[in-house]
Amino acid sequence: GENVEQHPSTLSVQEGDSAVIKCTYSDSASNYFPWYKQELGKGPQLIIDIRSNVGEKKDQRIAVTLNKTAKHFSLHITETQPEDSAVYFCAARLPLFYNQGGKLIFGQGTELSVKP
Amino acid sequence: KAGVTQTPRYLIKTRGQQVTLSCSPISGHRSVSWYQQTPGQGLQFLFEYFSETQRNKGNFPGRFSGRQFSNSRSEMNVSTLELGDSALYLCASSPGGVRADAFFGQGTRLTVV
Repeated sequence: GENVEQHPSTLSVQEGDSAVIKCTYSDSASNYFPWYKQELGKGPQLIIDIRSNVGEKKDQRIAVTLNKTAKHFSLHITETQPEDSAVYFCAARLPLFYNQGGKLIFGQGTELSVKP
Repeated sequence: KAGVTQTPRYLIKTRGQQVTLSCSPISGHRSVSWYQQTPGQGLQFLFEYFSETQRNKGNFPGRFSGRQFSNSRSEMNVSTLELGDSALYLCASSPGGVRADAFFGQGTRLTVV
């Protein structure tokens, strides 16, 4: 089945710096890769996602890149702010018609701390 | 547009008891998935329901079950609770079909004592 590895597990940056979180996946058939932000006491919030037919996607200060050949994808946050501090999760999803398709397989999470 | 609503938010149960958790998805969404989140195991998939049918199931024992109603609301049930079932249970709502984006509720924090 699909497996997702996420690095680093913790990341501390100064306000205004960039932060990069990386994930690798094992099944080349995965075609959907969302990123979630989880703040303390809340459920994960979808912040950006990318499909396998796209190499990069941006939304203001957040961008995601996908390298299908290497089977890895990354989250880039520029001009970080203290409110970006949270746990970030990447995930991968196989197509619905695959065995075990449709469910999200999550990485272990990255705790991002942005220091003022 | 209202988000995903999970009830209750917090629950304390004793070993051996059973529990039912509820999830109301975003209006118009037909797919509901359940995940268990623990510090040690992270986010793990329990099962997914689409149009009242279980479409996918994770690697959890049969004590974990679920169902979906005609209005897309879903419930999950855990019988014969064990201490290790203490976790945050999250429900994710998705339009279904080719749309893959999933939106989570706040979760139900279950503590088994």
